[in-house]
Amino acid sequence: DVKVTQSSRYLVKRTGEKVFLECVQDMDHENMFWYRQDPGLGLRLIYFSYDVKMKEKGDIPEGYSVSREKKERFSLILESASTNQTSMYLCASRATGAGSYEQYFGPGTRLTVT
Amino acid sequence: DAKTTQPPSMDCAEGRAANLPCNHSTISGNEYVYWYRQIHSQGPQYIIHGLKNNETNEMASLIITEDRKSSTLILPHATLRDTAVYYCIVRVSYNQGGKLIFGQGTELSVKP
Repeated sequence: DVKVTQSSRYLVKRTGEKVFLECVQDMDHENMFWYRQDPGLGLRLIYFSYDVKMKEKGDIPEGYSVSREKKERFSLILESASTNQTSMYLCASRATGAGSYEQYFGPGTRLTVT
Repeated sequence: DAKTTQPPSMDCAEGRAANLPCNHSTISGNEYVYWYRQIHSQGPQYIIHGLKNNETNEMASLIITEDRKSSTLILPHATLRDTAVYYCIVRVSYNQGGKLIFGQGTELSVKP
């Protein structure tokens, strides 16, 4: 079974702190994604990566950065956390190839910024 | 990517079939229909996808109309564990690395 794991299920940080959210997948997938999910807004793509050291902005990249130094790991960084970044953060991965339709999601990290 | 329209909520009796509709009237010829679901406090889970033909797997069946403007996800014997938000998504197989655009989905409640 494909497994996508995220470093924390729940996280509480203070305004202005630097926050790292880690995601690891064990299926050698090329593509990895970070989404946030908010009530009434659905899932929105923050960043994605299609290869090691490659990254592309999604729909809402402001206030976030990412790092992909190894194929299996994709990190989301909040340089200076703000209260409007309180949200559920979801990581996903997907293989590349004609038959690779499915995105596999991690369990999510619920981040609260106070 | 084409926009989808789903009812916000539906109820289904346990053991009965759950039929979840989705409208995607602006779908283009190379866009697939995908279904995901999200059980409370978990990440979304892939269910099924299709292009033109009806599809079936161990979880569900997907019926796509001939004009492709709408589809129906069928859970043949719904259980309490099928209570979740179900998302219908249409997209080209490869765009922006496989970006998914999730709408509001349908909240399915399976009742005993």
